[in-house]
Amino acid sequence: EVQLVESGGGLVKPGRSLRLSCTASGFTFGDYEMSWFRQAPGKGLEWVGYIRSKTYGGTTEYAASVKGRFSISRDDSKSIAYLQMNSLKTEDTAVYYCTRESGDGSNDNWGQGTLVTVSS
Amino acid sequence: DIQMTQSPSTLSASVGDRVTITCRASQSISSWLAWYQQKPGKAPKLLIQKASSLESGVPSRFSGSGSGTEFTLTISSLQPDDFATYYCQQYNSYWTFGQGTKVEIK
Repeated sequence: EVQLVESGGGLVKPGRSLRLSCTASGFTFGDYEMSWFRQAPGKGLEWVGYIRSKTYGGTTEYAASVKGRFSISRDDSKSIAYLQMNSLKTEDTAVYYCTRESGDGSNDNWGQGTLVTVSS
Repeated sequence: DIQMTQSPSTLSASVGDRVTITCRASQSISSWLAWYQQKPGKAPKLLIQKASSLESGVPSRFSGSGSGTEFTLTISSLQPDDFATYYCQQYNSYWTFGQGTKVEIK
């Protein structure tokens, strides 16, 4: 069974940093692209960024709203994807979801989410 | 950026009703469209990918259609477990979602 478990969320002050982890199991992690999405309280879903598999260079792409502040990395030996969030703003407050990208680009498995609250 | 517009925003329906949700893309996305169901406090669940392909384990009362810029999600006979919010998502160029359609009990 595919499982994705996010961790690392919490309360952080504006301007500070936080790193989220996504621990995967039940599939060959290194074969898949992984994405991060977020959902602000009471709002819709927003793509944050994604990381390709090493087969495709392990490169990353980011939404304009986080580009230059957030970075994604992966450790295939541990089956973990990371979301490093720097220079956090109050508008980054959201539940952050880790997802596995299916072969065609949709997101076929989601973690349970971790809440990040940016507030002074 | 590709914008996705869903309608309606809220839909009131009864068990057994046929329900249709529409999603429009700001430019052609071929069939690179997915539908998700989300319940309060839970992660989204993939229902349909590539506009009309039902995910394994998803009841057959759910169906998707469309291509280009116009898409629909249909629930043929609404069940109590189907009251939730539904999102369309394009993945032709990165990923963007519609604003969601909340299906509530009439």
